[in-house]
Amino acid sequence: DAGVIQSPRHEVTEMGQEVTLRCKPISGHDYLFWYRQTMMRGLELLIYFNNNVPIDDSGMPEDRFSAKMPNASFSTLKIQPSEPRDSAVYFCASSLEGGGYSENTIYFGEGSWLTVV
Amino acid sequence: KNQVEQSPQSLIILEGKNCTLQCNYTVSPFSNLRWYKQDTGRGPVSLTIMTFSENTKSNGRYTATLDADTKQSSLHITASQLSDSASYICVVNTYSGAGSYQLTFGKGTKLSVIP
Repeated sequence: DAGVIQSPRHEVTEMGQEVTLRCKPISGHDYLFWYRQTMMRGLELLIYFNNNVPIDDSGMPEDRFSAKMPNASFSTLKIQPSEPRDSAVYFCASSLEGGGYSENTIYFGEGSWLTVV
Repeated sequence: KNQVEQSPQSLIILEGKNCTLQCNYTVSPFSNLRWYKQDTGRGPVSLTIMTFSENTKSNGRYTATLDADTKQSSLHITASQLSDSASYICVVNTYSGAGSYQLTFGKGTKLSVIP
């Protein structure tokens, strides 16, 4: 399997612009997670989906952030408008039934490195 | 508040030496504890997952221990190699009721193995 695939790997954008990050989970995985990683705060869960349905979005920082999962093989995380404090690495991850919230392994993508100037 | 504290923040060791990384947690109720390895510029990769009843689990040269009474875990790396240079992240899974679990992440220990 190719693993969790994220795009773009690197994005530099100007403040106020819309940013869309994309993720293809591992085939057959029922759970999909979006995380953000910064030096100060480490890894933080933003939102997760089960069978394409958003289950917990309490980690989404504010209304500027939105996530969708239109089908089992694709998800997006959108930031509109972007701000410099959004600069971070955004990871997508997926897991089998029972999710990362059991003993199943969570598989991470390689991340999208976002810089907002 | 659920917290996971890791120590040291960073560590430099000579190739071939052993080292131990620490993880203390205050989360409750405990479900399982995970160690991840994150190479620079890459996503985290799972090393071990331990449940309440497991005291030790090994993955090659990596051995994780868990003391659920004292809420401490350690990751021991034997005969370190240059490729072990990475951040090691401790993650604790808690059960928050109604079938809902929550992962609490430590901020990681950055290990540098030098020749």
